[in-house]
Amino acid sequence: QVVLQESGPGLVKPSETLSLTCTVSGAPVSSYYWSWIRQPAGKGPEWIGRMYTSGKTTYNPSLKSRVTLSTDTSKNQFSLKLSSVTAADTAVYYCAREWTSIFGVAPRTDWFDPWGQGILVTVSS
Amino acid sequence: QSVLTQPPSVSAAPGQKVTISCSGSSSNIGINYVSWYQQLPGAAPKVLIYDNDKRPSGIPDRFSGSKSGTSGTLGITGLQTGDEAVYYCATLDSSLTVALFGGGTKLTVL
Repeated sequence: QVVLQESGPGLVKPSETLSLTCTVSGAPVSSYYWSWIRQPAGKGPEWIGRMYTSGKTTYNPSLKSRVTLSTDTSKNQFSLKLSSVTAADTAVYYCAREWTSIFGVAPRTDWFDPWGQGILVTVSS
Repeated sequence: QSVLTQPPSVSAAPGQKVTISCSGSSSNIGINYVSWYQQLPGAAPKVLIYDNDKRPSGIPDRFSGSKSGTSGTLGITGLQTGDEAVYYCATLDSSLTVALFGGGTKLTVL
């Protein structure tokens, strides 16, 4: 059974950097695709970015200039850094395993399972 | 505003059937598979359907999915009060390899 757990500060000041870690048990982070997804209160999820093949990344263009994803295979973790945060970045942040064929031919598959429980990050001074 | 359009809410009585639509375009749903998620209050989303119509292990066959052109549909039969949740569709935008989610549909079981 694969289990994901997010951790990190629940409160970040405006203009600072949000840093979260996802600890994975039951599967190696060096394999598979792993994503970060966030969800503002009352809204649909927003995909942030993915990690795959030991360190490669793909980011949502809307966040690309501020996002950095990384992995620590020794701890079986992957991490998110989001810089220059504002109140608009307040959301529940989830990590999830992504099942995808983005580099294959259409029709491509893309779905997320399992998800972590999520962590609420509030941006406020 | 989401690229994938869902009705904000649907409702039906216990035991009845409901369908939830998800409208996209030729660059997302039109050429890629659709997945569906259930989000119970205070919980993370859980996948119900992937690849348009496949159910992961443990998901009852009361939940079904289909796709036609640029729209996907989630069907739920034998509604139970425990099905009250927000349901999201998702797919891939091939032009950017970006994963897309709908805005969500709140299901009320009257």
